[in-house]
Amino acid sequence: QQQVKQSPQSLIVQKGGISIINCAYENTAFDYFPWYQQFPGKGPALLIAIRPDVSEKKEGRFTISFNKSAKQFSLHIMDSQPGDSATYFCAASILSGTYKYIFGTGTRLKVLA
Amino acid sequence: DAMVIQNPRYQVTQFGKPVTLSCSQTLNHNVMYWYQQKSSQAPKLLFHYYDKDFNNEADTPDNFQSRRPNTSFCFLDIRSPGLGDAAMYLCATGRGTGYSPAQHFGDGTRLSIL
Repeated sequence: QQQVKQSPQSLIVQKGGISIINCAYENTAFDYFPWYQQFPGKGPALLIAIRPDVSEKKEGRFTISFNKSAKQFSLHIMDSQPGDSATYFCAASILSGTYKYIFGTGTRLKVLA
Repeated sequence: DAMVIQNPRYQVTQFGKPVTLSCSQTLNHNVMYWYQQKSSQAPKLLFHYYDKDFNNEADTPDNFQSRRPNTSFCFLDIRSPGLGDAAMYLCATGRGTGYSPAQHFGDGTRLSIL
């Protein structure tokens, strides 16, 4: 029940295309859903996050869509660029003493020039 | 810029030889987390400090210890590293209960075991 399932494991998209990564969870106690971008040899960087009382959040080319009833959320990268090539992790946060993350398994995105 | 800084970026140690990894932060956050990330895997939480309170994850081996001498610094000690401990170690900070759950990560220390 503490798992966050992420798909696909890897994704190849043409430059200018839309990249879509999906995550699903079971525990309704999760109350914060961030997406992180990680380049090789670097730490994860917070990209965008959403609370479950909002169905969509957009920041530039990045959009989170959130479906509370289905317990699913997804990251959409519009106009994907080669510089977006990285590994993306979704996570769900739960308050247990302090906020703890449960991470998805990651998606390796490659955007072709 | 406010940051989470990890030193060293790369660390090589011998099998069984104790090693200490360091993390500092200028964000003045209450919580500091240590994660282990193996190749092509998600970060795995080892433990965290909420102010001076230490919180260990149930499945973190006893071989891993941590110290937080003040708000800004936190250390990860591996008492007797084994080959399976080779990984990237990530430090993250957060503000704590009642604030945003967002965590801010350093760039990690890549640990190799000879």
